[in-house]
Amino acid sequence: DGGITQSPKYLFRKEGQNVTLSCEQNLNHDAMYWYRQDPGQGLRLIYYSQIVNDFQKGDIAEGYSVSREKKESFPLTVTSAQKNPTAFYLCASSISAGSDEQFFGPGTRLTVL
Amino acid sequence: AQSVTQLGSHVSVSEGALVLLRCNYSSSVPPYLFWYVQYPNQGLQLLLKYTTGATLVKGINGFEAEFKKSETSFHLTKPSAHMSDAAEYFCAVSRMEYGNKLVFGAGTILRVKS
Repeated sequence: DGGITQSPKYLFRKEGQNVTLSCEQNLNHDAMYWYRQDPGQGLRLIYYSQIVNDFQKGDIAEGYSVSREKKESFPLTVTSAQKNPTAFYLCASSISAGSDEQFFGPGTRLTVL
Repeated sequence: AQSVTQLGSHVSVSEGALVLLRCNYSSSVPPYLFWYVQYPNQGLQLLLKYTTGATLVKGINGFEAEFKKSETSFHLTKPSAHMSDAAEYFCAVSRMEYGNKLVFGAGTILRVKS
């Protein structure tokens, strides 16, 4: 089955620790995205990548980092510089950056203890 | 800058009643418009989208939406609500200046009463 997988589903982190969220897709999509979801705020774009070895900051990139070394993988690292990291994180992909439809993974809920 | 406003963070309807979820957008040019549904602790699933052509768009699960340029609206409707429709719904608009990146509304939680 083609799709997007995110792991883990739930993640707990102590303050001051970096943590990496996994996102993998086997849809052969060029573009990938990371969103953060907070109650009552919808989804906000953290980073996006239009093609391998390229990525751009979204609206709330501070305290986050990404890499795109492989087409199918777009991991997100939440660093200790992110002041309020507790949230639901969603990864998405689309055929290309100009494509009109994004496909979403099941999400990772990160809680900072 | 493009933005999306969803009126009503919570909407409650009785089973069998009409569902109406409101979405207004601001955009300098006609955008692409989307409605997504999210069930608890899951990702988003596309319900329907408007890109060009017919302004009344039909989607999955009996939902439809009408693009009204004069009102800058894209309201989501379903004639008869079902218990399984209870979820959070997001309206989104593409961001032309960033290669069609999506801007999301804050979401509307739909509750269906039996």
